[in-house]
Amino acid sequence: DSGVTQTPKHLITATGQRVTLRCSPRSGDLSVYWYQQSLDQGLQFLIQYYNGEERAKGNILERFSAQQFPDLHSELNLSSLELGDSALYFCASSEVGQIYTEAFFGQGTRLTVV
Amino acid sequence: AQSVAQPEDQVNVAEGNPLTVKCTYSVSGNPYLFWYVQYPNRGLQFLLKYITGDNLVKGSYGFEAEFNKSQTSFHLKKPSALVSDSALYFCAVSSSASKIIFGSGTRLSIRP
Repeated sequence: DSGVTQTPKHLITATGQRVTLRCSPRSGDLSVYWYQQSLDQGLQFLIQYYNGEERAKGNILERFSAQQFPDLHSELNLSSLELGDSALYFCASSEVGQIYTEAFFGQGTRLTVV
Repeated sequence: AQSVAQPEDQVNVAEGNPLTVKCTYSVSGNPYLFWYVQYPNRGLQFLLKYITGDNLVKGSYGFEAEFNKSQTSFHLKKPSALVSDSALYFCAVSSSASKIIFGSGTRLSIRP
């Protein structure tokens, strides 16, 4: 158990809808990362937050947004969903926001858009 | 541009034999290199990292990796493979100038 909790584990929704994925980092970790894993594109970095502030941005679509709250949990909001958004979404956390620090991953949320 | 490549989609090894999973990278500046493992229906687990210092890095579950600056490689190795090592392995790279990027993954299959 990595200590990172993601909910829900599975989500099935229709195209055009909006969903929210939730992540609780390991106790004491200030940094949260979001990744998308799909069969054809591997693991893509989406965004990083550190202590409530956006630290780095990756290949995140404008339809997607995220935030980190004062209690350090994070939410990833996906809107106007398309079939191609079906993927496994991972949250990871690390103690600090440095890029040389290893991250601990949650078990992921499997999103299926139908 | 920063990139990381895992040239083999799949590696097959017999139990007890040594294994190597290849990774090459391209970054501006000094690289920070990582290996993660993903078991079915699980998130990624950190195995080991190279930041600076000794080129041979030892990690979890008996794995090690060698940083080779001239060949820009960071291959993952284990002297004697176990069936339980069968999983998806990801190499990742970052540098002071950029964010972390993961390779496409290599599926390691160990046959009894």
